[in-house]
Amino acid sequence: EVQLLESGGGLVQPGGSLRLSCAASGFTFSRHAMSWVRQAPGKGLEWVSAISGSGSSTYYADSVKGRFTISRDDSKNTLSLQLDSLRAEDTAVYYCAKEFSLGVSGDFDCWGQGAPVTVSS
Amino acid sequence: DIQMTQSPSSLSASVGDRITITCRASQSITAYLNWYQQKPGKAPKLLIYGVSSLQSGVPPRFSGSGSGTDFTLTVSSLQPEDFATYYCQQSYSSPPTFGQGTRVEIK
Repeated sequence: EVQLLESGGGLVQPGGSLRLSCAASGFTFSRHAMSWVRQAPGKGLEWVSAISGSGSSTYYADSVKGRFTISRDDSKNTLSLQLDSLRAEDTAVYYCAKEFSLGVSGDFDCWGQGAPVTVSS
Repeated sequence: DIQMTQSPSSLSASVGDRITITCRASQSITAYLNWYQQKPGKAPKLLIYGVSSLQSGVPPRFSGSGSGTDFTLTVSSLQPEDFATYYCQQSYSSPPTFGQGTRVEIK
């Protein structure tokens, strides 16, 4: 069974940093691109970032480019998202999502339960 | 970015009803259209990919159709567990974008 388990969410002040992790199991992690998608309270879904299965290619939404960094450790089956220079508008539940294939396609076939991030003073 | 617009934003229906949700893209996305279901406090779940392919384990009462810019999700006979919010999403070009969601409520 495919499982994705996020951790690392919490309360942080504006301008602060946070690191989210996603532990994957039940599939060959290295053969799949992975993404982060967020959902602000009461709002819809917003794609944030993606990384290819090889880790050689990364992609970011304009709203987070230069502030967030996606990475993966295939030896630990773990996806990470480093969130820096956080703003109030980054407050959301952050979901880790598995993509269908090795390359980044934007097709998400499995999602984690989400990690809540609150940016507030 | 490609804008995805769903209609209606919400609907009320009864168990056993047939419902249809529409999704329109701001430009042609050929057949790169997915549908997700989300229940309160839960993660989204993939229902349909590539316009009309049913994800494994999804009941056949769910179906999708369309091409180009106009797409529909149909539930042939609404069940109690189907009351949720539904999102369409395009994977034609980066960034992938979602519709604003359609909330399906019990009448």
